[in-house]
Amino acid sequence: AQTVTQSQPEMSVQEAETVTLSCTYDTSENNYYLFWYKQPPSRQMILVIRQEAYKQQNATENRFSVNFQKAAKSFSLKISDSQLGDTAMYFCAFISPANDMRFGAGTRLTVKP
Amino acid sequence: NAGVTQTPKFRILKIGQSMTLQCTQDMNHNYMYWYRQDPGMGLKLIYYSVGAGITDKGEVPNGYNVSRSTTEDFPLRLELAAPSQTSVYFCASSPVGQKSNQPQHFGDGTRLSIL
Repeated sequence: AQTVTQSQPEMSVQEAETVTLSCTYDTSENNYYLFWYKQPPSRQMILVIRQEAYKQQNATENRFSVNFQKAAKSFSLKISDSQLGDTAMYFCAFISPANDMRFGAGTRLTVKP
Repeated sequence: NAGVTQTPKFRILKIGQSMTLQCTQDMNHNYMYWYRQDPGMGLKLIYYSVGAGITDKGEVPNGYNVSRSTTEDFPLRLELAAPSQTSVYFCASSPVGQKSNQPQHFGDGTRLSIL
């Protein structure tokens, strides 16, 4: 079974600085997809960024980028120029070709003014 | 722009009671999902559906049932509520499968307590 591990339960960063959230996963699959979701206090789940395992190029969405290391099964999220609105829980997620989707336990990020 | 609507937002049940969590979406999405989120944890998939009349088990289906008679609605049924089912439940939908570049649209969640 696939597992997703987020080893940082809580992190904080000063406004305008850069922070990196870690995620590792375990799978025997070769083709799969990885996601980062943001959950603000409103509890809505918001897709931040997505990465296909067959693509070597790291995904980027504005201030958000990933460092995808397939051999190491690592998928970290970098947030540049952190904003107060980035304060939220961040979940790393994995989905296999069989639609088996697993989430990590989350990292609570606080952006300080 | 209603998106994904879940009702109720909060509910307290007694052990052994049954209830149905409602989920409806107005985006004509084929895929719908039910997740539970326990305190301090990520989401776990309970059931999903790839279209009307088709449902499949996720990671934690025991104690739950679903049906998908229409594209819009995907209710989740708890037959004999147990304290272990105390959680926040999220419904989500997407136009195609989760592996696509189309994100899932989530409802606001239902906070369920079993006492």
